[in-house]
Amino acid sequence: DTEVTQTPKHLVMGMTNKKSLKCEQHMGHRAMYWYKQKAKKPPELMFVYSYEKLSINESVPSRFSPECPNSSLLNLHLHALQPEDSALYLCASSPLSSGGRAVYEQYFGPGTRLTVT
Amino acid sequence: SQELEQSPQSLIVQEGKNLTINCTSSKTLYGLYWYKQKYGEGLIFLMMLQKGGEEKSHEKITAKLDEKKQQSSLHITASQPSHAGIYLCGADRSGTASKLTFGTGTRLQVTL
Repeated sequence: DTEVTQTPKHLVMGMTNKKSLKCEQHMGHRAMYWYKQKAKKPPELMFVYSYEKLSINESVPSRFSPECPNSSLLNLHLHALQPEDSALYLCASSPLSSGGRAVYEQYFGPGTRLTVT
Repeated sequence: SQELEQSPQSLIVQEGKNLTINCTSSKTLYGLYWYKQKYGEGLIFLMMLQKGGEEKSHEKITAKLDEKKQQSSLHITASQPSHAGIYLCGADRSGTASKLTFGTGTRLQVTL
């Protein structure tokens, strides 16, 4: 199974709502990632989890709150978003070598298209 | 300016023709990844290049890495409609492959 799944596929939320995006992988990967992709732009890294611990936060606003409850799941909690946060949110995972350094390719999920109204 | 520049930005080729997409980095490359994306969907991994001079092929797609020039090329032979999509190069900035920076993308259309 080389699949990363994301739910929901589409999400429309108001600026006062709280919602969560979910990502799941069963490949035994110990690194998981959140990316944000605006229309006609490349994906931009938001967060990296290594061994279920947050290892990289690319100065993302606190209205985005990641969570990694176990090695297979990654959540992104959303609160008080702005219309400019509307984008495709991509989750990815990759193996980590025994030294904890990721030297493998990242596998991406299909994304959640988020619209903030 | 972008750290990773891809050229061309878009490409329309006739089915059966060959094409090349280039990716040039303004910073040191520790590794170079090629992905393909259909509009509004996730990224599909194509190839990873880690050493200067490395060349990899998969089906009709070949990628090369010129470490000295900090450049990679992706070549598609005898293009097919299934090759259509957006091709993204990704650079490993940290040596750990945890921090990937993506290029500007090349949109490929293949006409019949």
